[in-house]
Amino acid sequence: QGQLVESGGGVVQPGRSLRLSCAASGFTFRTYVMHWVRQAPGKGLEWVAAIWHDGGDKYYLDSVKGRFTISRDNSKNTLNLQMNSLRAEDTAVYYCARELEYGSGSYSVWGQGTTVTVSS
Amino acid sequence: EIVMTQSPATLSVSPGERATLSCRASQNVRSQLAWYQQKPGQAPRLLISGASTRATGIPARFSGSGSGTEFTLTISSLQSEDFAVYYCQQYYNWPPWTFGQGTKVEVK
Repeated sequence: QGQLVESGGGVVQPGRSLRLSCAASGFTFRTYVMHWVRQAPGKGLEWVAAIWHDGGDKYYLDSVKGRFTISRDNSKNTLNLQMNSLRAEDTAVYYCARELEYGSGSYSVWGQGTTVTVSS
Repeated sequence: EIVMTQSPATLSVSPGERATLSCRASQNVRSQLAWYQQKPGQAPRLLISGASTRATGIPARFSGSGSGTEFTLTISSLQSEDFAVYYCQQYYNWPPWTFGQGTKVEVK
């Protein structure tokens, strides 16, 4: 089925940067589209970014476009999210998620989440 | 952007009773609709994809129906472990992939 483990969260001041990583195991990482989904405290789920299996296509939530960059290293089975110019409204638990099957768009494997707090 | 609206926000149900959750899409999403369950402090878990196909390991008491803009998740006989928040998500028209705001199923 597979496993995802996020890391890199923490407390950061507004305007600063943070890099999240997601280590994948137990499945053929290079064949799956991967996503980042976040959840602000006490709120619902919000899709953030997606990257195609070969890294060729990337998509972003409008509010993070130009500030966040999704990337992957298929040789290391790792997904990343570089977050720059962080804002208070980016405070959330960030999950990496794997699609059920290539191009399906639903998420069958989730990480445990990593918490990002943007505060002065 | 397709907006997903779930109702009710909170559903109070007694154990053993049936729970019916609704999800409405602002545009036709065909059957490209998933349901997730989330318990406090945990990641979401996929229950249903394709509007009606149960994910691996999901009990038969969970069923999904609908297509187009109206969808329903039914839990036929609520067990103690089913009290949680449920989200619907469309993946027909993207980006963005969008979720509903969630329905909390609580003990009556």
